[in-house]
Amino acid sequence: AQSVAQPEDQVNVAEGNPLTVKCTYSVSGNPYLFWYVQYPNRGLQFLLKYITGDNLVKGSYGFEAEFNKSQTSFHLKKPSALVSDSALYFCAVRDADSNYQLIWGAGTKLIIKP
Amino acid sequence: GAGVSQSPSNKVTEKGKDVELRCDPISGHTALYWYRQRLGQGLEFLIYFQGNSAPDKSGLPSDRFSAERTGESVSTLTIQRTQQEDSAVYLCASSLAGGPPGELFFGEGSRLTVL
Repeated sequence: AQSVAQPEDQVNVAEGNPLTVKCTYSVSGNPYLFWYVQYPNRGLQFLLKYITGDNLVKGSYGFEAEFNKSQTSFHLKKPSALVSDSALYFCAVRDADSNYQLIWGAGTKLIIKP
Repeated sequence: GAGVSQSPSNKVTEKGKDVELRCDPISGHTALYWYRQRLGQGLEFLIYFQGNSAPDKSGLPSDRFSAERTGESVSTLTIQRTQQEDSAVYLCASSLAGGPPGELFFGEGSRLTVL
């Protein structure tokens, strides 16, 4: 069965430190992978995606993610966290049996402390 | 408009009442999705519209839920005889058909509270 796992409900990081939000997936075929961010009382915003090519993908707000095929992971990273990065982060993978369905992780709450 | 617009932003209703939620997608976006987000949980797919094709209703949780969309414009999600478990944020998203896969544009959601 196709699935996305975000093993951490919450991640706490001090401002200025590097951050990682973890995502692993299970999907048949080549995965299309995505990260979205949800700020408080706002809709989700697209951050970045991996379709093909370089395993390190750069996105909005200084975020990047590394696709690791052998570990079936797509962890979100940022070298230096800002308090304004505090939000809910969702990982998603495109359903291999559909050209429009996304399978969503449960989300990880990222808290950046000053 | 500039983005996906949803209304109402908040709705409090009594159990058993019907509610209607509205989504106005980005102009030119032929694909439209409805999702449900319960507190502390991920997104639950409800329904997908693509142009004039038959919608994918596979995510609708019961026959109390229905959605309509006329052409490539506004969509309404209707919940009849609401139950307390329907309390959630209902998110609408749109995208370009044939556009970058998976890049959805979301509205800010309609928060439904059923008392």
